[in-house]
Amino acid sequence: NAGVTQTPKFQVLKTGQSMTLQCAQDMNHNSMYWYRQDPGMGLRLIYYSASEGTTDKGEVPNGYNVSRLNKREFSLRLESAAPSQTSVYFCASSEARGSSTDTQYFGPGTRLTVL
Amino acid sequence: RKEVEQDPGPFNVPEGATVAFNCTYSNSASQSFFWYRQDCRKEPKLLMSVYSSGNEDGRFTAQLNRASQYISLLIRDSKLSDSATYLCVVNIMSGTSYGKLTFGQGTILTVHP
Repeated sequence: NAGVTQTPKFQVLKTGQSMTLQCAQDMNHNSMYWYRQDPGMGLRLIYYSASEGTTDKGEVPNGYNVSRLNKREFSLRLESAAPSQTSVYFCASSEARGSSTDTQYFGPGTRLTVL
Repeated sequence: RKEVEQDPGPFNVPEGATVAFNCTYSNSASQSFFWYRQDCRKEPKLLMSVYSSGNEDGRFTAQLNRASQYISLLIRDSKLSDSATYLCVVNIMSGTSYGKLTFGQGTILTVHP
């Protein structure tokens, strides 16, 4: 049982390049999330998917797109990377039973540098 | 004003010390509260939920004051392994937006021998 997995762990891009961050969970969770973490800013929600087939914008969606491929997988795409997107990206999942105490489980993160 | 604010620290304490972290939140509609722990260059992990009546888990005690919109975490008998960043997290429930968490920037704790 791997929990939440992310690939790649590290990536360096040049400005304007595109890439897709992959995320998968094996806990049969309904909801999945993408966050970015920057120094002094805490984690900020980029996009989330409350259930398979749905996606919604979070706090900082500009410059990103997402795909909920199936219940297990949720990918994040940068179409034209910018230096401001240099960050650590975390994927998370939760059962999202509608309970206020629903716990989110995080993947190990992807460290992205855009030159 | 940030929705969730924490003193970033760092807090440097000796083993065995008691240390307390505070957190304030701005949205009175906030409905659930958590403390997450994040080790250096690792992912956040749930430490404990925070209940209205206060709750304890071993050496860790969490308190919530809804009137003042204030959350606290107390760590007693600090261990070297407690060194980490502690994230205050708030969940605002509304319609289909359940499960969306808002994170504070974290408080850094270093426990030294």
